[in-house]
Amino acid sequence: TQLLEQSPQFLSIQEGENLTVYCNSSSVFSSLQWYRQEPGEGPVLLVTVVTGGEVKKLKRLTFQFGDARKDSSLHITAAQPGDTGLYLCAGHNAGNMLTFGGGTRLMVKP
Amino acid sequence: NAGVTQTPKFQVLKTGQSMTLQCAQDMNHNSMYWYRQDPGMGLRLIYYSASEGTTDKGEVPNGYNVSRLNKREFSLRLESAAPSQTSVYFCATGGVHNEKLFFGSGTQLSVL
Repeated sequence: TQLLEQSPQFLSIQEGENLTVYCNSSSVFSSLQWYRQEPGEGPVLLVTVVTGGEVKKLKRLTFQFGDARKDSSLHITAAQPGDTGLYLCAGHNAGNMLTFGGGTRLMVKP
Repeated sequence: NAGVTQTPKFQVLKTGQSMTLQCAQDMNHNSMYWYRQDPGMGLRLIYYSASEGTTDKGEVPNGYNVSRLNKREFSLRLESAAPSQTSVYFCATGGVHNEKLFFGSGTQLSVL
């Protein structure tokens, strides 16, 4: 059973467009992380959000944790080809174990 | 510092064969993990080790065994490989309170 649902699963856009990726759950998480994974490599942590309603910015990436700590979103402004990759959300549960979503595969075309 | 090193990078097995995936970390972390990644399924935890000398089952442990050889090394063994175990396997290590996971570059395993 996958506790974290990511949408969309696939996204193909043109360079310069904006996009939002969603991560939803019926469970409450103590914290939520976003990772990016490139082909042939392991995931690399982008951000951790801890407080409900928290917003963090990383250059053109904006991450938000839902008020109830059940969902999160990742917004990319003016996407670039270098943003191409698999984006994974992951939540820490009460036992401090990390549960991953199914991922959103993003392709940004020049 | 290499971080997390996994070997081999690629492996092809026949059904019923056995093999061990190796993982070593030089980050001095207590926690180590084995995940498998399948398309659309994200990463699923197979086994983990919270500290040297301890191991625990994750979400999908059937068909696998692990050994925490010392603080640096955590191996994953497939005793009798099955086609359903075709996947990409990632080893990871965690920092204090598992705030951040550091992953190896993965092992792509095909079982024919």
